[in-house]
Amino acid sequence: SQQGEEDPQALSIQEGENATMNCSYKTSINNLQWYRQNSGRGLVHLILIRSNEREKHSGRLRVTLDTSKKSSSLLITASRAADTASYFCATARGNNAGNMLTFGGGTRLMVKP
Amino acid sequence: ETGVTQSPTHLIKTRGQQVTLRCSSQSGHNTVSWYQQALGQGPQFIFQYYREEENGRGNFPPRFSGLQFPNYSSELNVNALELDDSALYLCASSMTSGGIGTQYFGPGTRLTVL
Repeated sequence: SQQGEEDPQALSIQEGENATMNCSYKTSINNLQWYRQNSGRGLVHLILIRSNEREKHSGRLRVTLDTSKKSSSLLITASRAADTASYFCATARGNNAGNMLTFGGGTRLMVKP
Repeated sequence: ETGVTQSPTHLIKTRGQQVTLRCSSQSGHNTVSWYQQALGQGPQFIFQYYREEENGRGNFPPRFSGLQFPNYSSELNVNALELDDSALYLCASSMTSGGIGTQYFGPGTRLTVL
């Protein structure tokens, strides 16, 4: 079963707009990670936020985490056509790189030029 | 590029056959995890190997088995293939000690079972 649920399942925006994706999870976590996947290929790690953090930035990415609501959001600012991909949140129970990741179903983002 | 490689890229098998998928981990990483991703879904954890021992397993039957070698490369074996085994199989490598939680994924092997 999947821990996280992304919302929306699909999102279509124009280039230059911001894209916001949300993720909810069920159990306590140590960290939450966001990954990107292009056309059914391998996943690329975008950002990791620990349970004691509330917000994190990386370039055009902004991630928030609300552990009281068991939810996270990923904001991509000034989107580009190259941002078209599927985005997954994944939770880890332990603070160890070897721990399994539990993924959500993903948000499919299309950025139109 | 993550430095994690997988082979083969694509594979077609028939129901009941056996398959072996391979993964070479990123240099310096001693842990390999395998995930199954059905079309349109998120990856599901199969199992993890750390220093040649199984170190956690998801909700997959025993016909899914694996190995990790001294150089930390890994194999995923699936016996008695079923149609539902058709999926993208992803491996990810990581360092366990003092890690930041990031797993580095390979490009995947697309398995089709007919």
